[in-house]
Amino acid sequence: GAVVSQHPSRVICKSGTSVKIECRSLDFQATTMFWYRQFPKQSLMLMATSNEGSKATYEQGVEKDKFLINHASLTLSTLTVTSAHPEDSSFYICSARDGGRSGANVLTFGAGSRLTVL
Amino acid sequence: RKEVEQDPGPFNVPEGATVAFNCTYSNSASQSFFWYRQDCRKEPKLLMSVYSSGNEDGRFTAQLNRASQYISLLIRDSKLSDSATYLCVVNGDTNAGKSTFGDGTTLTVKP
Repeated sequence: GAVVSQHPSRVICKSGTSVKIECRSLDFQATTMFWYRQFPKQSLMLMATSNEGSKATYEQGVEKDKFLINHASLTLSTLTVTSAHPEDSSFYICSARDGGRSGANVLTFGAGSRLTVL
Repeated sequence: RKEVEQDPGPFNVPEGATVAFNCTYSNSASQSFFWYRQDCRKEPKLLMSVYSSGNEDGRFTAQLNRASQYISLLIRDSKLSDSATYLCVVNGDTNAGKSTFGDGTTLTVKP
């Protein structure tokens, strides 16, 4: 089936630094990828929809200047958490659809990136 | 009202029990429906798609009632390894539409 690779799986950084998370579709092309955030014992929250070759679409309440999304190719989207603060510590997960092989609309998730901001 | 609502849970059941999860959705134009499983501190993984005709995969049966905008998941003969959070996922009214997740229902199967 479709595989989505997300890196890094775990990152610890100091407050004020920026962290980049990569999401790659390994065996399919993804014009659209999705970024989520999940706090402990809470549900997944969609942050933004990443669109290849155009600007990302952010959900209400998500600061686009803080969470920079770049989708420069059909297999790679990146999320950069700028000037990270302890409240940004969370589990960030990306997903993509492989409409051909896995069936239309089935989302495949990356393994997630656990960010801890000290 | 949330777009996708699930049983709040948690469900604590003994091994071998049968357990059913329910999910309702508000957008009647929704196109596709899924159950995902999420283990603690891991990413969600597709458990099964849900079709109007109902579908079964081993001990798992999923059903969709479009008229009532209702989705269910039945797990028979529960195993300890079934312990996880089960997410109901509904896709929008286009193939590229957003996926909307329920808050999840946590199942713990005990020996």
